[in-house]
Amino acid sequence: DAGVIQSPRHEVTEMGQEVTLRCKPISGHDYLFWYRQTMMRGLELLIYFNNNVPIDDSGMPEDRFSAKMPNASFSTLKIQPSEPRDSAVYFCASRRGRTGGYTFGSGTRLTVV
Amino acid sequence: DQQVKQNSPSLSVQEGRISILNCDYTNSMFDYFLWYKKYPAEGPTFLISISSIKDKNEDGRFTVFLNKSAKHLSLHIVPSQPGDSAVYFCAASSRSNDYKLSFGAGTTVTVRA
Repeated sequence: DAGVIQSPRHEVTEMGQEVTLRCKPISGHDYLFWYRQTMMRGLELLIYFNNNVPIDDSGMPEDRFSAKMPNASFSTLKIQPSEPRDSAVYFCASRRGRTGGYTFGSGTRLTVV
Repeated sequence: DQQVKQNSPSLSVQEGRISILNCDYTNSMFDYFLWYKKYPAEGPTFLISISSIKDKNEDGRFTVFLNKSAKHLSLHIVPSQPGDSAVYFCAASSRSNDYKLSFGAGTTVTVRA
């Protein structure tokens, strides 16, 4: 298995532009999580899905952030418009069932200038 | 509001000595605790876990201790090796919250040769 695949690995964009981060979970994993890593707060949960349905989006910082999971093998996290304070590493993780272990992707490093 | 706290952002230890990482939590509903290890440009990977019904779990050089009354857990690495140099995240979850992981800010461990 190729693991959780995230793209792009790095993204540099100008303030005000739309940014889309992508994630392909492990096949058979029915939970998908989006986390953001910052120096001050570590790993923050933004949103998670179960069977493609958003369960908890209370961690999404603002309306500028949105996430979708149109099918079991693909999810996107979109920021529109982007701001410099959105600069962080964004991780996607998936797991099988409620008690399965998390597998993280390698992350997308976002820089908004 | 961070429910999992790692108050030491960094730790430096000599090869062969013990590394002790600490973690505190505030949510008394947490019943499962984990440590993750993260190398640069990679996603976090699972290291060791402990259920709230135990106070100690050991796996090779890694031991996790849980003190529920103090809402405190620690990770001991003995002996420390250069390959242990990484960021270590403490995480906690609860059955009542779908076992979604809440992470601390991380501790960067540097093992000196």
